[in-house]
Amino acid sequence: AQSVTQLDSHVSVSEGTPVLLRCNYSSSYSPSLFWYVQHPNKGLQLLLKYTSAATLVKGINGFEAEFKKSETSFHLTKPSAHMSDAAEYFCVVSDGYQGGGNKLTFGTGTQLKVEL
Amino acid sequence: NAGVTQTPKFRVLKTGQSMTLLCAQDMNHEYMYWYRQDPGMGLRLIHYSVGEGTTAKGEVPDGYNVSRLKKQNFLLGLESAAPSQTSVYFCASSTGHPNTEAFFGQGTRLTVV
Repeated sequence: AQSVTQLDSHVSVSEGTPVLLRCNYSSSYSPSLFWYVQHPNKGLQLLLKYTSAATLVKGINGFEAEFKKSETSFHLTKPSAHMSDAAEYFCVVSDGYQGGGNKLTFGTGTQLKVEL
Repeated sequence: NAGVTQTPKFRVLKTGQSMTLLCAQDMNHEYMYWYRQDPGMGLRLIHYSVGEGTTAKGEVPDGYNVSRLKKQNFLLGLESAAPSQTSVYFCASSTGHPNTEAFFGQGTRLTVV
């Protein structure tokens, strides 16, 4: 079985300050991990993904995430927040073919608020 | 390049009514999924399909049925809608290859009164 825990349901930062969104995962197999972003009343857009090639993954819009197996974490960071980053962010785990379906398991989401 | 298209985008149903949500993808993906999104719960998998003619239950399948008669289409049906099925529904597709991401539609906001 696989699961994802997003440690903060809401995060508020000032524009220009760093962003940290925390995610811990559990998986019986070597996982693939993703971060998706959802802007208000929109669909989900892939920010970045980890697939065992490199532990530090760079994504779109200046976001990056580091896979730490010893801590079972995949935290999302950005050095400097922009107003347009305000959205809901989902950490997602997939165990690939294991068990069939290549199913994605979502965390409950972190709402990021960016203030002037 | 449409990607994943969901129809309709909004719908209001009365309790007991039925409806079908249509998902179409033009990326020749083998795998397709239906999720529901509820506040504070993330997205939960309803049903999925690993190829034309196949379907399987996800995490929350009760009250829903699906069909995959054509590779590019995945239909989600509600036979007798209940207020608990008020939600935003997302369709997604993927190649099914390990370590590949899913591509999502824009969502269908369904309200059951």
